[in-house]
Order: sequence, then structure tokens, then C-alpha cells
Amino acid sequence: DIQMTQSPSSVSASIGDRVTITCRASQDIGSWLAWLQHKAGKGPKLLILTASSLQSGVPSRFSGSGSGTDFTLTISSLQPEDFATYYCQQTSNFPQTFGQGTKLEIK
Amino acid sequence: EVQLLESGGTLVQPGGSLRLSCAVSGLTFSAYAMTWVRQAPGKGLEWVSTITSRHGGDTFYADSVRGRFTISRDNSQNTLYLQMNSLRAEDTGFYYCATTIIRYFADNWGQGTLVTVSS
Repeated sequence: DIQMTQSPSSVSASIGDRVTITCRASQDIGSWLAWLQHKAGKGPKLLILTASSLQSGVPSRFSGSGSGTDFTLTISSLQPEDFATYYCQQTSNFPQTFGQGTKLEIK
Repeated sequence: EVQLLESGGTLVQPGGSLRLSCAVSGLTFSAYAMTWVRQAPGKGLEWVSTITSRHGGDTFYADSVRGRFTISRDNSQNTLYLQMNSLRAEDTGFYYCATTIIRYFADNWGQGTLVTVSS
């Protein structure tokens, strides 16, 4: 199975800050990577697919980059609604696997 | 508006069975592959199973549920199912269904249904 390693596991930031989350795959997954946002009591929300494509309706302050084994999610200017847990997910092979999550908290 | 509504989650004893349902509206259900993902208490997301778009389509399972869980769909009822047998305590958690697009990216998600396996 492909292992997905996210860092950091948690981050504290302020409104307006720029935040970067990284994800590393244990083998080459090309661009078959998604980033999702998850808030308590809700279903996850797809932000980015194919490593860098913004899902329809997602604000442009979210961006993704990378290919192969190393990927990055950047939030350019944090808004109050962005405080949540973020996951990377590979869809290159079954079983699909997620990173362990990054909890983004208010400083 | 696309809506996915999971149901069927409840308290069940270890070794018991449960069937989850996911009713989908607002899109052409038969055109989409579908996925189940779960989250145990205090843990991260875990992919469970995916079924391709056609009725009786190809199925894929996580090792942790293969042989115990069965994913299926009824395209005439716009409904996805997850039959869960031989349930274990570690199957406890929220179960989410999702529609999937290219290369099985999950784009629309339900709110989840809670399964608790405990005596």
C-alpha cells in the first residue's frame, strides 16, 4: 500500500497568515492527489484534485502543487472559515490512502 | 443541488450485521462511481470501498473490511449500500458516502452516519 505522510500534524496560525501543508507519498503517484478539508459534524470537502486543480466553488486562496512523491497545499491568506483539519489522499492505486491529517487552529 | 444522505448507522453488538444506505439526488447517479470512507473516533479518514458506475459494477475494498463488507448499488433507486457483517469494535465510527469523478476523486460527500460496535 502507498503510505501518505503529512506534516505538520497541527499548526496554529492567525487570520491573514499564509499556511503551507506538505504531503509525501511512499512511491510515485504522478498527480493523483487530492486535498480535502474536514470540519467536525460535516462531510469532508474536496478542495484540490490532480494535485493542483482547484475544485469548482473553492476559493482561490487555496492552491496545490507537486507531482511524483512531494506535494504542497497552500492557503494564501487564512480566513475564519478555514480552521479545520486537512487531509491529502492518493487515488493512484487501490487501496486509496489518506495522510494522517493536519489540524489548523487559531493562534 | 447535489445531496447525499447516509442512513442505517446505529449501535450493534460485536459479530453483528448492519446495512448502510446512501440516497443520492441532484445528479445522474448511474454515471458516477461511488465510495465509502470512514472515520474512527479521534482518528483520521480511512477509505473503505469503491464501486464503479454500472449496476453490479467492479468493486474495491480495504484489506481491513474485505470479506466482511459488501458494497452495492441500485441505479434505479439512486442508492448506494454497504452491507457490514462480522462487525468489530474497530469498525466504530462515522461512515461517509461520496460520488467520485476522474480517477475516483471523491467530489460530493454526505454528512455521515454513525456506527457503534459495542456490547
